[in-house]
Amino acid sequence: DQQVKQNSPSLSVQEGRISILNCDYTNSMFDYFLWYKKYPAEGPTFLISISSIKDKNEDGRFTVFLNKSAKHLSLHIVPSQPGDSAVYFCAASAGIQGAQKLVFGQGTRLTINP
Amino acid sequence: EADIYQTPRYLVIGTGKKITLECSQTMGHDKMYWYQQDPGMELHLIHYSYGVNSTEKGDLSSESTVSRIRTEHFPLTLESARPSHTSQYLCASSDWGFNSPLHFGNGTRLTVT
Repeated sequence: DQQVKQNSPSLSVQEGRISILNCDYTNSMFDYFLWYKKYPAEGPTFLISISSIKDKNEDGRFTVFLNKSAKHLSLHIVPSQPGDSAVYFCAASAGIQGAQKLVFGQGTRLTINP
Repeated sequence: EADIYQTPRYLVIGTGKKITLECSQTMGHDKMYWYQQDPGMELHLIHYSYGVNSTEKGDLSSESTVSRIRTEHFPLTLESARPSHTSQYLCASSDWGFNSPLHFGNGTRLTVT
């Protein structure tokens, strides 16, 4: 049973436009959520996170929105740049485990077109 | 620049061989982790450690074993490799902060023939 789902395996966006990546979860105990970015042949790198006490967290071009009632979060990238082309993983954790014992989604491959 | 190092990057090995995947970090992190990822799939936690002499199994059952004799080193061993072990193995570390993110290595892609 997959607890964190990224239903779009891929997404293609024009450079300069907004990229929106979506993530759904089923476990109501999850209270901390993260996005990781992964380039080919490299390990994932941390991008942005959000605690369940918030509904929005912003860091430069990246904003994460959390809708707890819908068990849904999204990552917005504005404006999208070619270097943003990568696989994006949504991850979640529960309780005292904080950011560390993570449950990951399957990833969404984002391609930014010039 | 990576502060967590995994070797080898790629490994092709025959069935029945014993293998050890190496992971070292220079950040002084107490917590270390091994994740397994099949192509196009999610990462699954297979082992973690909260410090020297501490090892725990993760959410995904794995036939591999780990050891933590030194803070900086967290090797993963498969006593007898099988084709079902073919996967990518990612090592990560973090410090003790509640919301401290994981730092990942570049992974080892293992193929068992």
